[in-house]
Amino acid sequence: QKEVEQDPGPLSVPEGAIVSLNCTYSNSAFQYFMWYRQYSRKGPELLMYTYSSGNKEDGRFTAQVDKSSKYISLFIRDSQPSDSATYLCAMSASWAGKSTFGDGTTLTVKP
Amino acid sequence: NAGVTQTPKFRVLKTGQSMTLLCAQDMNHEYMYWYRQDPGMGLRLIHYSVGEGTTAKGEVPDGYNVSRLKKQNFLLGLESAAPSQTSVYFCASKPEPGQGKWINQPQHFGDGTRLSIL
Repeated sequence: QKEVEQDPGPLSVPEGAIVSLNCTYSNSAFQYFMWYRQYSRKGPELLMYTYSSGNKEDGRFTAQVDKSSKYISLFIRDSQPSDSATYLCAMSASWAGKSTFGDGTTLTVKP
Repeated sequence: NAGVTQTPKFRVLKTGQSMTLLCAQDMNHEYMYWYRQDPGMGLRLIHYSVGEGTTAKGEVPDGYNVSRLKKQNFLLGLESAAPSQTSVYFCASKPEPGQGKWINQPQHFGDGTRLSIL
């Protein structure tokens, strides 16, 4: 079993919809939780970063971490066609150590 | 400010050939990483470095070697390329806690090197 499991998708939603992207994990040592967006033929770019549990909001994006359930989510409000990309969750136990990535969820937002 | 630059962007090799992928960062980051990404999969860590002159193995180190002789550069070598190493390779760098705006930017990625081995 993988340490990080990500909802596989793909997801296709109409413009303006609320999108929910989710990952579960098994390693209770994970303390750092990240969401990356990756456009085709580009490197991942960081969207949200959370340390330990809780919620974090940045514009249309909200990241949630529930360590008791070992579950993290990324919500995108008022989704736009420009949000069409692959979203990767990632986690690590320490700052310098390796990050473990989910396999990614491909999102398409249709105008 | 270029961030993380990977060279080359594309390469085709024959089985058994060797090559070196170069990653350069201009942000004075302490930590650097090499990942590979295969279709439909997330990133898997090959090797990483927590400072100049140091290296450590990741999840999938076999068939690869690395060197970090200078802080700004992290080299990934394939000694004898195999078709199973066909992949997209990403380099990333990360600052030390307390260095600059680390809270908001824990990891910066390059745009990848697309490597095909025939």
